[in-house]
Amino acid sequence: NAGVTQTPKFQVLKTGQSMTLQCAQDMNHNSMYWYRQDPGMGLRLIYYSASEGTTDKGEVPNGYNVSRLNKREFSLRLESAAPSQTSVYFCASSERGLDTEAFFGQGTRLTVV
Amino acid sequence: AQSVTQLDSHVSVSEGTPVLLRCNYSSSYSPSLFWYVQHPNKGLQLLLKYTSAATLVKGINGFEAEFKKSETSFHLTKPSAHMSDAAEYFCVVSDPPGGSYIPTFGRGTSLIVHP
Repeated sequence: NAGVTQTPKFQVLKTGQSMTLQCAQDMNHNSMYWYRQDPGMGLRLIYYSASEGTTDKGEVPNGYNVSRLNKREFSLRLESAAPSQTSVYFCASSERGLDTEAFFGQGTRLTVV
Repeated sequence: AQSVTQLDSHVSVSEGTPVLLRCNYSSSYSPSLFWYVQHPNKGLQLLLKYTSAATLVKGINGFEAEFKKSETSFHLTKPSAHMSDAAEYFCVVSDPPGGSYIPTFGRGTSLIVHP
């Protein structure tokens, strides 16, 4: 079982460039999430999708857009990268309901110079 | 709104001594609670979860946590630390505003284990 797969694993961007982070899960989960991890801040929610066809903003959505392409895939787009977006990005998925844990991808380490 | 406070940003122990990582939560509902571990440059692995079936929850690698509703706490413990336990630990709360059950993370506690 692959679980949650993120691509790429590493990326360096120049300020102003755009890119899309890809995420796919093979567990038939309804809910998917994008988080960013910064030192001392834990993981902060950027966007989430409670089900196919819906997306909602999280705690830190500015500068990002998302697409829930189908039930398996949830992509995160940076339209014009800024140094403040240097971070490690994690995609996760879960089934909806109490007591259901989230499963995480291996992360994407993004550096914006 | 739900929130999680991890009371220590760093905890330092000697190998073979007990580990205590503290977590307090805030939730308007009866929440789900989790502990995740992240080893250096790795993804997140579930250690254990509170399912409301029992207040004392056992997880992997000898860790356990006790849910105390009156204290709104979910502290993580291990009787004897091992060098391989050195990692970042995250307490997570998930409650159902609108049925979304979105995981909310604490800021993390870095566990340092000395030989």
